[in-house]
Amino acid sequence: GAVVSQHPSRVICKSGTSVKIECRSLDFQATTMFWYRQFPKQSLMLMATSNEGSKATYEQGVEKDKFLINHASLTLSTLTVTSAHPEDSSFYICSARENQGTEAFFGQGTRLTVV
Amino acid sequence: KQEVTQIPAALSVPEGENLVLNCSFTDSAIYNLQWFRQDPGKGLTSLLLIQSSQREQTSGRLNASLDKSSGRSTLYIAASQPGDSATYLCAVYGYAGNMLTFGGGTRLMVKP
Repeated sequence: GAVVSQHPSRVICKSGTSVKIECRSLDFQATTMFWYRQFPKQSLMLMATSNEGSKATYEQGVEKDKFLINHASLTLSTLTVTSAHPEDSSFYICSARENQGTEAFFGQGTRLTVV
Repeated sequence: KQEVTQIPAALSVPEGENLVLNCSFTDSAIYNLQWFRQDPGKGLTSLLLIQSSQREQTSGRLNASLDKSSGRSTLYIAASQPGDSATYLCAVYGYAGNMLTFGGGTRLMVKP
């Protein structure tokens, strides 16, 4: 299958700082990328859907000013957690898809810990 | 709104057993259904993708079936091994926005 690279895999930051997570499709052009959040022992919850060159669509309850998503190119999307707080600590996973209807491929995830 | 449920939530079996994981979804108008494996602290590994027009897919010791009309899918694992221990997630692709909706997962432990 296609490869989606997510970086960093693990990050620890102080409260009040911002953290950027990158998601890259390595061998295909991703018209759509998805960002998920996963709490311990729970399933994935979709945070937002981003299409290249347009604004991301956020799911209900997700603060768009806190979780900034940029999908500036067909191979890169970024999620920036702004003014992070301990409650933002979680596992974040991105997913990329070439076209609508095609299989989505997942990154390795990023473990964010805010202290 | 699509809802995906997986039963059981956790399962512990001795090595060598054949087992079945269940997934049900409320809206049968799905595009595809996909089974994933997730190891602790890791991302998702795709196991099987079933197109909506298909009834089943097989890969090695894994077999997944899909019954759209009843809103059900099963993942069959033959001759389970300790290395199969992981969380198994079922997800459906919906037509509206074509987004994935995940089930809660089944945490599987295969004991040697």
